[in-house]
Amino acid sequence: DAGVTQSPTHLIKTRGQQVTLRCSPKSGHDTVSWYQQALGQGPQFIFQYYEEEERQRGNFPDRFSGHQFPNYSSELNVNALLLGDSALYLCASSPQGLGANVLTFGAGSRLTVL
Amino acid sequence: QKEVEQDPGPLSVPEGAIVSLNCTYSNSAFQYFMWYRQYSRKGPELLMYTYSSGNKEDGRFTAQVDKSSKYISLFIRDSQPSDSATYLCAMRGSGGYNKLIFGAGTRLAVHP
Repeated sequence: DAGVTQSPTHLIKTRGQQVTLRCSPKSGHDTVSWYQQALGQGPQFIFQYYEEEERQRGNFPDRFSGHQFPNYSSELNVNALLLGDSALYLCASSPQGLGANVLTFGAGSRLTVL
Repeated sequence: QKEVEQDPGPLSVPEGAIVSLNCTYSNSAFQYFMWYRQYSRKGPELLMYTYSSGNKEDGRFTAQVDKSSKYISLFIRDSQPSDSATYLCAMRGSGGYNKLIFGAGTRLAVHP
């Protein structure tokens, strides 16, 4: 059973560019959350998608946007990249209901902004 | 002040030692408490999950929650080199959505 898969694993961008990161949730999971993990820090919640809608958002600017597709996969888009956006971007999936506390994380996409 | 405080370490112990990892928090609304383990270049994986106060044991791991002190702990008995990783505490309130607030993580090294 494949867990959460993310792509690309690594990428390098320059300031001002735009980036799209992709996530396929674990089989049976319908909720996808995105987290940003800066070096030496814990993950910070960006937003969560369920039924193709953003239903909760953390303290991130509008440059961060997302999408969820009917097959539950998700994309994270970041526009006008800043040096401070360099981080590991983690996707986590979960089932609805009582299992909602059990998040399964992917290995992440490491973004470097030069 | 951060909602969740966690000593980043690093913590270095010999194989077989008992390891104690801790987090403090400020938000009394937190009800669910988790410990995640993160190996280098990997995503976090759930180790322990506790609801409200009390203890929970799973093999060599014991999680404790003291809501009156806003303090949670993870104990690892008979530590092994394979336990070398970063340990993240995480917590959330009782609302319907599962947004987690993480600590900064404690880096643990268990040497043979």
